[in-house]
Amino acid sequence: QQPVQSPQAVILREGEDAVINCSSSKALYSVHWYRQKHGEAPVFLMILLKGGEQKGHEKISASFNEKKQQSSLYLTASQLSYSGTYFCGTEGWGGKLIFGQGTELSVKP
Amino acid sequence: DAGVIQSPRHEVTEMGQEVTLRCKPISGHDYLFWYRQTMMRGLELLIYFNNNVPIDDSGMPEDRFSAKMPNASFSTLKIQPSEPRDSAVYFCASSYGGLGFQHFGDGTRLSIL
Repeated sequence: QQPVQSPQAVILREGEDAVINCSSSKALYSVHWYRQKHGEAPVFLMILLKGGEQKGHEKISASFNEKKQQSSLYLTASQLSYSGTYFCGTEGWGGKLIFGQGTELSVKP
Repeated sequence: DAGVIQSPRHEVTEMGQEVTLRCKPISGHDYLFWYRQTMMRGLELLIYFNNNVPIDDSGMPEDRFSAKMPNASFSTLKIQPSEPRDSAVYFCASSYGGLGFQHFGDGTRLSIL
């Protein structure tokens, strides 16, 4: 039931782009994205709802393919502050949010 | 505005002792969540409440774990008796209107010796 994230880790230089993928084996109602910096709490970034509605962060975009039960998070022109672990959370029809194992993103100067 | 407040921030105790973690959600939020985070298992949902009523406790590992929400501004997670494998960071989160836009507290780092 736990969604699968890829890649597990990625290293970028400032200004480079990254894509983080999230895939589920179950039909999804929504996908949620959070970022967690080391030693801190997760922070909400974005929610994507079935039907295409998207709410969240201004500088980060994402897509949700309902048929494939997949979501991708797009980080463009990365900044040092983007470093952290990114989690996707998937909500199925049972009304429960299940998080993936996370993708560790490191942005270097 | 005050965020989600958890206490204590750190807890170190011996195996077999009772542990109580506390959480004060953001005022006005009607959903409250308890999570456990470990390197091995990641971020796991233990239980969540809506309007103080437990909705899903399927993530509670076993009977040693219990959670209550006596009112809209307070919740507890108890472990009795505690075991070394319960060592983890426990997060409380709250939201308004559904599972999205969850605000997390700073967490309680629990170590069971």
